[in-house]
Amino acid sequence: QKEVEQNSGPLSVPEGAIASLNCTYSDRGSQSFFWYRQYSGKSPELIMFIYSNGDKEDGRFTAQLNKASQYVSLLIRDSQPSDSATYLCAVKADTGFQKLVFGTGTRLLVSP
Amino acid sequence: DVKVTQSSRYLVKRTGEKVFLECVQDMDHENMFWYRQDPGLGLRLIYFSYDVKMKEKGDIPEGYSVSREKKERFSLILESASTNQTSMYLCASNAPGTGRSSYEQYFGPGTRLTVT
Repeated sequence: QKEVEQNSGPLSVPEGAIASLNCTYSDRGSQSFFWYRQYSGKSPELIMFIYSNGDKEDGRFTAQLNKASQYVSLLIRDSQPSDSATYLCAVKADTGFQKLVFGTGTRLLVSP
Repeated sequence: DVKVTQSSRYLVKRTGEKVFLECVQDMDHENMFWYRQDPGLGLRLIYFSYDVKMKEKGDIPEGYSVSREKKERFSLILESASTNQTSMYLCASNAPGTGRSSYEQYFGPGTRLTVT
């Protein structure tokens, strides 16, 4: 079992819809959870992070964390074509150094 | 603004060559990381460093070595390049407790290495 799992997609949504991206992780002691966005040919950039169970909102983005079920999700409201990218879920493990474990990413396509 | 730079955007090398990839960050970060990114495999950690002259193996260190002689510079070395090392290489840095979150990693633009 991979440590951080994501559906590779592509996830296709029409402009204006809500895009829901999911991520599960295996290390129950994981502390911190991150969502990075990566445009084609570019490097990842952080868009959201969450530590506590529940929801965290930042503009059109909402991160949701459920530690009991070991999943974290990212909702993008009012999706725009410019949101088309690969979204990487990353988890900071409970043990070890400050390294992040990344999922393989979900490709999101927002059609006009 | 945090800036992480990498020495080349594109690099073509021959099998057996020794290859140096350099990464420089300008924010006095203690931690630096080297990843490779391949389709379907995501970002995989090769090596990381938490201080000058200190290094730790990541998940896939075989065939690679690193050097960190100065705090701002972290080099990845392919001792004898092979075709299976053709990949996108990404450098990142962070300093715990700074940035928008602890552990946020700032990435360089990447080096696309092709070994023929």
